[in-house]
Amino acid sequence: GAGVSQSPSNKVTEKGKDVELRCDPISGHTALYWYRQSLGQGLEFLIYFQGNSAPDKSGLPSDRFSAERTGGSVSTLTIQRTQQEDSAVYLCASSLQKPTDHMNTEAFFGQGTRLTVV
Amino acid sequence: DQQVKQNSPSLSVQEGRISILNCDYTNSMFDYFLWYKKYPAEGPTFLISISSIKDKNEDGRFTVLNKSAKHLSLHIVPSQPGDSAVYFCAAGATDKLIFGTGTRLQVFP
Repeated sequence: GAGVSQSPSNKVTEKGKDVELRCDPISGHTALYWYRQSLGQGLEFLIYFQGNSAPDKSGLPSDRFSAERTGGSVSTLTIQRTQQEDSAVYLCASSLQKPTDHMNTEAFFGQGTRLTVV
Repeated sequence: DQQVKQNSPSLSVQEGRISILNCDYTNSMFDYFLWYKKYPAEGPTFLISISSIKDKNEDGRFTVLNKSAKHLSLHIVPSQPGDSAVYFCAAGATDKLIFGTGTRLQVFP
């Protein structure tokens, strides 16, 4: 596709259930980010992939959160045993090169997945 | 510890006037900076960027200034109602982008 695609766009889940969020980055983009935005908050960094490896997982809020990326393309963010505080918009972004390169460092965002835990 | 700070959560400007959005950062290792604009229910979209070694970058009505130590600003001249959105400042470090908390700009007629 032309842009970053995220699915589902909306997800309502019961507390304690597991959810899986999907991100399809722009074809050829090697870097992939997951962020979340809670109500009234800024963008919170979760994890960054360069290819299939995640050199920085420091933003994952707890061990209930995990992410993987396969084939250097699609990424899934999994939240186990969801809690109400997990409710947020989860945003995925991809960029062509590593941020240390000055060319094409712009990251393109998907429209996000709005997760509501009830 | 917030490495990228946008201390003004909101800004209201009359149409035609200049909007100035500020961003402060604490890490001198950042080597480039970006501004993103976000409308409700949409993902952020890239607006303009600047390398840490430059002090100004212009793109139409948008100018980003990097002239003060650990401070940059986004100028929108003239401001239009369609500019009403949340603006995020981001800084590029070794292996990720770090975003500020955003400033909500409201441009009124």
